[in-house]
Amino acid sequence: SQTIHQWPATLVQPVGSPLSLECTVEGTSNPNLYWYRQAAGRGLQLLFYSVGIGQISSEVPQNLSASRPQDRQFILSSKKLLLSDSGFYLCAWAGQGATEAFFGQGTRLTVV
Amino acid sequence: AQSVTQLDSQVPVFEEAPVELRCNYSSSVSVYLFWYVQYPNQGLQLLLKYLSGSTLVKGINGFEAEFNKSQTSFHLRKPSVHISDTAEYFCAVSVGGGFKTIFGAGTRLFVKA
Repeated sequence: SQTIHQWPATLVQPVGSPLSLECTVEGTSNPNLYWYRQAAGRGLQLLFYSVGIGQISSEVPQNLSASRPQDRQFILSSKKLLLSDSGFYLCAWAGQGATEAFFGQGTRLTVV
Repeated sequence: AQSVTQLDSQVPVFEEAPVELRCNYSSSVSVYLFWYVQYPNQGLQLLLKYLSGSTLVKGINGFEAEFNKSQTSFHLRKPSVHISDTAEYFCAVSVGGGFKTIFGAGTRLFVKA
């Protein structure tokens, strides 16, 4: 069966520090991969999606970037965190042509 | 572009009472519709989905939703809620087979004893 792993579960980082959140999927190949951010009271905002290795689409301009170095690995990064980057980050995957997304357990990022 | 509007940010309800969480969407093309549930500090879990066919969709935990194309709505209902249903619920749409899923702002359901 397919599983999605996201880590770390919680993270506290100072302003200006770098960020790397990792997400991996097991049990499937060539998935569509997504990064969402959930800010308090604001629902889920799609940040990035990827349909293949090295293919990244950004939905909103921001301080973050994403990379997909391997088929089932999706990384969210920042060179210098801002206070406004705090939130709950969710990774998700969907099969090619699939109809629903499957979510990881999320990472709660607090920038101090 | 597609968008989703969840009309209520919070819905308090007493245990064993019925509940309806409202969702409206806009799209110029046919969409797939979803309801997800999120428990505190966890990821999202799919409750139910509408792809095609019958407009009344049944999901897990006793929830159901009805797709109304003329009103562009996909409201979620449960005839009798439990304390354990307290969570945040998200309505979502996608086009073309889950390529990109757009979520509403969420509705926080609070079930009181």
